[in-house]
Amino acid sequence: QKEVEQDPGPLSVPEGAIVSLNCTYSNSAFQYFMWYRQYSRKGPELLMYTYSSGNKEDGRFTAQVDKSSKYISLFIRDSQPSDSATYLCAMSGDSNYQLIWGAGTKLIIKP
Amino acid sequence: NAGVTQTPKFRVLKTGQSMTLLCAQDMNHEYMYWYRQDPGMGLRLIHYSVGEGTTAKGEVPDGYNVSRLKKQNFLLGLESAAPSQTSVYFCASSYSPLLTSFPSYNEQFFGPGTRLTVL
Repeated sequence: QKEVEQDPGPLSVPEGAIVSLNCTYSNSAFQYFMWYRQYSRKGPELLMYTYSSGNKEDGRFTAQVDKSSKYISLFIRDSQPSDSATYLCAMSGDSNYQLIWGAGTKLIIKP
Repeated sequence: NAGVTQTPKFRVLKTGQSMTLLCAQDMNHEYMYWYRQDPGMGLRLIHYSVGEGTTAKGEVPDGYNVSRLKKQNFLLGLESAAPSQTSVYFCASSYSPLLTSFPSYNEQFFGPGTRLTVL
């Protein structure tokens, strides 16, 4: 079993829909939770990060962490075709600078 | 400010050939990383470095070697290429979490990738 599980998709939704992307993990020591966005044939870029539990909002994006369930989510409101990309979750422990990555979910927003 | 650059962008090798991938960063980052990305596998860490002159093994180090002679450069070598090493290779860099304020999350900055095919 992988430490971080993420459905690879693809997930296809119409423009304007609310998108929910998720990861589950098994290591209770993880404290830092990140979402990276990767456009086709590009390197990943950090989109959002959360420390420990709770929610964080940035414009149309909301990141949630539920440590009791070992489950993290990324919500995208009013999705746009420009949001079409692969979204990777990544996490690490308090003193560990190495990131453990999910497989990435390919998201397609249809105009 | 170019960020993280990788050379070459594409390469085709025959089985048994060797090559070196070059990564350069101009952000004065202490940490550098080499990943490979395969369909359905996400990013897997090959080797990493926490400073000039230091390297360490990641999750999938076999068949690769690295060197970090200068702080801004991190080289990945394939000694004898195999078809299983066909992949997209990404270099990344980051500040040391020890030098950032709490919470010291590890934001990694990625290069554009090198697409390698081994025949």
